[in-house]
Order: sequence, then structure tokens, then C-alpha cells
Amino acid sequence: AQKITQTQPGMFVQEKEAVTLDCTYDTSDQSYGLFWYKQPSSGEMIFLIYQGSYDEQNATEGRYSLNFQKARKSANLVISASQLGDSAMYFCAMRRPSGGYNKLIFGAGTRLAVHP
Amino acid sequence: DTGVSQNPRHKITKRGQNVTFRCDPISEHNRLYWYRQTLGQGPEFLTYFQNEAQLEKSRLLSDRFSAERPKGSFSTLEIQRTEQGDSAMYLCASSLASVTLQGARTEAFFGQGTRLTVV
Repeated sequence: AQKITQTQPGMFVQEKEAVTLDCTYDTSDQSYGLFWYKQPSSGEMIFLIYQGSYDEQNATEGRYSLNFQKARKSANLVISASQLGDSAMYFCAMRRPSGGYNKLIFGAGTRLAVHP
Repeated sequence: DTGVSQNPRHKITKRGQNVTFRCDPISEHNRLYWYRQTLGQGPEFLTYFQNEAQLEKSRLLSDRFSAERPKGSFSTLEIQRTEQGDSAMYLCASSLASVTLQGARTEAFFGQGTRLTVV
């Protein structure tokens, strides 16, 4: 079965420090996409970063980078220079070719708290 | 505001009542998705539309649930005879259709959700 595992229910980090949120996935597909979304208390899911299975370089978007280790099937999110506004739930998700890359499969999420 | 809009933001209903939620996607997006998120979990896929056609439904979508997208623009999600187990956040998302391997890059944009509480 296709599955996303986020083993850290909660994490905390000091403001201005870096933090890594773990994500492992399980799929037999060769082609797939991996996403990270942020969900603040307002409820909206905000897209952060994407990594394609064929991408040779790790994705980066501003303070966000994705540590993609394909052989280990892991796609960890690294947030550098944490800010108070980074406090939120973070979800790792995968999109597969089945049905034309339609649905996203989400992990259970990690709650990040940034302390001043 | 050009993002995905969902109404209402909150709904409290008595068990057994029917409820309907509305989603207005980003205007040029031809794909629209519904997800359900229960407390402490990630969103779970319910169904999606390409234009007005409903192309996939999850097993989570029981016969009490029905979704429509009559003109390929806004969508409604109706729950009939609500049960306490239906209490959740219902999220709508939209995207452009992806047709290539690299189309997996096409991210979905989410609305703020409708939080349903069945009492």
C-alpha cells in the first residue's frame, strides 16, 4: 500500500535555528511527486516545496529545503533560520501516477513549535 | 481574493440533518478536489472533478455523501443524515490538470476548509 509516515508528532525549535522534519514514504512506482504543506491554525494548507522522483538535485524554496534520499525513501523537510510564524502543522504528501497523478496521500503531520 | 474559497467556515448541525458545503476554486483551474481531515490526522482524499466530470471517488465517500460541480466552476459537497463520525474539517483544493510525468509537480491549492461538528 502507498503510505506516508511522519514519525514526529511534535517538534520544537529555538527561533533562528534550523529544524528537520522527517518523512518516509512507501511506493512501488518509479515516478511520483513529494510535497510538503504547512497548515497554520487557520486551517488552510499552504504549499511549501516539491520534489520529483526523477529530480537529481534536492529541492529548495527560500528557507525550505528537501533532503531527498530516494534509496531510503525519505524526503525530510529542513527549515533554516526558524521564525515564530513557522509554528504550525507540517504535512508530507505524495502524488502517484495511478489515475493520472490526481490525489495526494498525506502523512499524519508534525506539529512544529518555534520558541523565542 | 483569487484563492480557493470555502463556505461556510464552520457548521454545527444536529445528527440526522443534511448539510451542504460550497467550494469556489481558482478560476482557471480545471481540477477540483475534496478532502476530509479528522483531528490529529492528515487530509484524506474523498473525490475529484475534472471540469464538471467526477472522475474518482474514495471508498470513504459513502452513499450519504454527494458532490457536484455542475458547470465546471464551483462545487458542492452534501452530506445527508449526518452522523457524529462525520465531524471533521472538509478541505477543497484546485489545480491545473497534469498529463505528464512531470505533471506531478502541479501543486494543489487549498481553501481554508469547512469545519463540521455534528452534535
